[in-house]
This record gives sequence, C-alpha cells and structure tokens, in this order.
Amino acid sequence: ETGVTQSPTHLIKTRGQQVTLRCSSQSGHNTVSWYQQALGQGPQFIFQYYREEENGRGNFPPRFSGLQFPNYSSELNVNALELDDSALYLCASSPGLSDTQYFGPGTRLTVL
Amino acid sequence: GNSVTQMEGPVTLSEEAFLTINCTYTATGYPSLFWYVQYPGEGLQLLLKATKADDKGSNKGFEATYRKETTSFHLEKGSVQVSDSAVYFCALTTFDAGKSTFGDGTTLTVKP
Repeated sequence: ETGVTQSPTHLIKTRGQQVTLRCSSQSGHNTVSWYQQALGQGPQFIFQYYREEENGRGNFPPRFSGLQFPNYSSELNVNALELDDSALYLCASSPGLSDTQYFGPGTRLTVL
Repeated sequence: GNSVTQMEGPVTLSEEAFLTINCTYTATGYPSLFWYVQYPGEGLQLLLKATKADDKGSNKGFEATYRKETTSFHLEKGSVQVSDSAVYFCALTTFDAGKSTFGDGTTLTVKP
C-alpha cells in the first residue's frame, strides 16, 4: 500500500509569484487536508477536500486555493506569494471523514 | 475556538529516563486527541490517539490518557531511547473531522 506522497520536495520562489503543490492520497482515501507549518510551530489547517468538494477552510486568504481530482489526488495553489508563505506544506489523507489522518513528507517552500 | 497548549521545550533527557510531555486543550464538543511525532526533515507520523474520556492510547512504549476533567492528554514513556529524539505534537479534532488543531510542538533530545 502506497502512503501519501507530495511533490516537489523543495521549492524556491520569489515574492509575487504563483506556486502549485501536489499531493497523492493513500490508496482508498477520498479526503485530503492541507496544512501550513511555519518553522518552530505546529501545523495550521488550510482547507480540506472530500470527494472533490471543499469541506472546510481555515483562516487563510483566498489566494490559497485547492483542487481535488477524481482519483483523489490534490493540488494547493498559492498566488501572489509573500515572504511569510515560506513554510513546510503538509498534505494528509483519510478514508472518508475519519478523524485519523495520514501525513505526507511535506513540501518545503521558500519565498525570497 | 479550539486550542492546544503544550509544555514548552526543548526537553533533554538521558537514555532510559522517564518522559512526560504535558498537553492541555480547549475544545467545543468532544474531541479526539492525538500525539504525532516528526523526525528531522520528515512529515508527521501518528504516534497514538484516544477518542473518548478515560481512553488510553499507546504505541512503541508511549502512552497518553484522555482526561476530560482536566482537559489533558499528557504523553509518557517509561524509558526513552536516543532514537526517540524528535518533535512531538499534541493535536485534537472535533466533529468536523480532519481539521486538526495542533500545539506548537515539543522538541525532545535524548543523550546516550
């Protein structure tokens, strides 16, 4: 059974650019959640997708957007990057709306 | 809103010492409680969970008991090893499953 995978591993962008991060859910999982983890802090919930529909959002501005595809893989898009967007972005999948999530290794985004 | 407060770190112990990492929470409703571990450069791994009051979660020698009366979920291990060195996160989820709230993490270093 393949776990949650994320790509790319690392990414460097400049302020104002746009970025797309990708996540492949664990087999059989139709729910995906995205989190932002700033250095030295705990993960902060960005949003969740369930069966291709957004199922809740945290306190992040609209320039953070997402998609979930029919195969339950997912994208996180961030427009107009700011320096404070530099963080580790974590994707987590779960079967249905289970409270148990399985995390990917993350994408480290650096905004210069 | 929901919140999780963890014991501030870092924590440094000698091998075979007893470990306690304190975690208290504030939540609406009846949350599920989790401990995750994050090794350097990696994503989060679920360590243990408890879904109702007085439940004890356990894994790899770690234990935590869901204490509703004190709103706590302290992590304990009787004898730590060097390989336990990592960052530990306490987290909760409420009825909107998957939207976890995390503490800021406690860094544990175990010296031989």
